[in-house]
Amino acid sequence: ETGVTQTPRHLVMGMTNKKSLKCEQHLGHNAMYWYKQSAKKPLELMFVYNFKEQTENNSVPSRFSPECPNSSHLFLHLHTLQPEDSALYLCASSPQGGNTEAFFGQGTRLTVV
Amino acid sequence: RKEVEQDPGPFNVPEGATVAFNCTYSNSASQSFFWYRQDCRKEPKLLMSVYSSGNEDGRFTAQLNRASQYISLLIRDSKLSDSATYLCVVNPVSGSARQLTFGSGTQLTVLP
Repeated sequence: ETGVTQTPRHLVMGMTNKKSLKCEQHLGHNAMYWYKQSAKKPLELMFVYNFKEQTENNSVPSRFSPECPNSSHLFLHLHTLQPEDSALYLCASSPQGGNTEAFFGQGTRLTVV
Repeated sequence: RKEVEQDPGPFNVPEGATVAFNCTYSNSASQSFFWYRQDCRKEPKLLMSVYSSGNEDGRFTAQLNRASQYISLLIRDSKLSDSATYLCVVNPVSGSARQLTFGSGTQLTVLP
């Protein structure tokens, strides 16, 4: 049972589509993250939000657009993606302070056709 | 040099075997260290934190060697359910998870 919930779990979209990934956490955490995991590659940090403010954008292309309306919700808006963007997109959250670990959602497996 | 390097494996071991994974990190200022476990097509989950003095949790033992900049994970009496990918995670910034850097993972298969 995870405290971080992602929807949808699977998504197939065309290169001209616009879609959004949703993440919700009920752990009372103040930091939320988007990670990308491609086959045979390590997790890549995409965006970080602390207290709803974006604190890090890891050189992510503008076709990925994050939104954090409050500290419990995080979205990733997708438009004009490329086939190489197909991957597992993981949301995570963590509390502030201390030697904190991240808690992950189950991910959205995205396929761009 | 990669920030966090792991032997990708795969490691195929029989049930009951002892297996060890190593991980090296490049940032000597790194503050926190973790081992995560990721099952096939699932999200990573924290297995254990790694402390300077070393720590043990049941069949799992984690060690940190700051001088040589590596951490290790030892699994004793392997079970079939231990089959997974083990991710080494390093955080160079104390008090913040935003710099978590993941290794590529080491794949373990425990055979009956």
